[in-house]
Amino acid sequence: NFMLTQPHSVSGSPGKTVTISCTRSGGTIASHFVQWYQQRPGSAPTTVIYEDTQRPSGVPNRFSGSIDSSSNAASLTISGLKTEDEADYYCQSYDSGSVVFGGGTKLTVL
Amino acid sequence: EVQLVESGGGLVQPGRSLRLSCVVSGFTLDDYAMHWVRQAPGKGLEWVSGISWNSGTLGYADFVKGRFTISRDNAKNSLYLQMNSLRPEDTALYYCGKDRGIGVAGNLDNWGQGTLVTVSS
Repeated sequence: NFMLTQPHSVSGSPGKTVTISCTRSGGTIASHFVQWYQQRPGSAPTTVIYEDTQRPSGVPNRFSGSIDSSSNAASLTISGLKTEDEADYYCQSYDSGSVVFGGGTKLTVL
Repeated sequence: EVQLVESGGGLVQPGRSLRLSCVVSGFTLDDYAMHWVRQAPGKGLEWVSGISWNSGTLGYADFVKGRFTISRDNAKNSLYLQMNSLRPEDTALYYCGKDRGIGVAGNLDNWGQGTLVTVSS
């Protein structure tokens, strides 16, 4: 099996840009797609990025995803931060019959 | 509009069983794989189990293997999770999730609101 490691928390000011990393241990990040989910307090998760870089309809283009094989990590970048972006963010991937979520990152918009 | 509605949660004693259900609408269930994901109070998301579109592939997290069984009835637009030998650490909000594809790859695009399972004596 494998693990996805995220920072516990990140913060940024309105209008700024933040990046949340998701490092894979065990296997390569490019071997299976990575998804990113946003979860606001008291709500179910919603997808902000799927298949590494794809944005669902309705998700603003301030959200972007990427993968970096050299660091074996995926990243979620949020530009033009808004207070409504404050939430928990989870990366997720798959390998050999197992679906794995990262531990989650709390984004605080100061 | 895609909707997923879970039910069946509640308070149960350790060692007992519970069966969760998820009724879906707004899409054809047999075109997609489905998953159960849980979240313990104050904790992160944890994948529990997934089932391919035709029930041909079943996947389980190590911590539920041999105790939980996932199943689906496409004719009834329903997904199920039979949970046996429940433990206090199974206490969580259990979400039903729809996959974008037919296989158990965990590419979830729609989630229910969850049903709370509390395991306590």
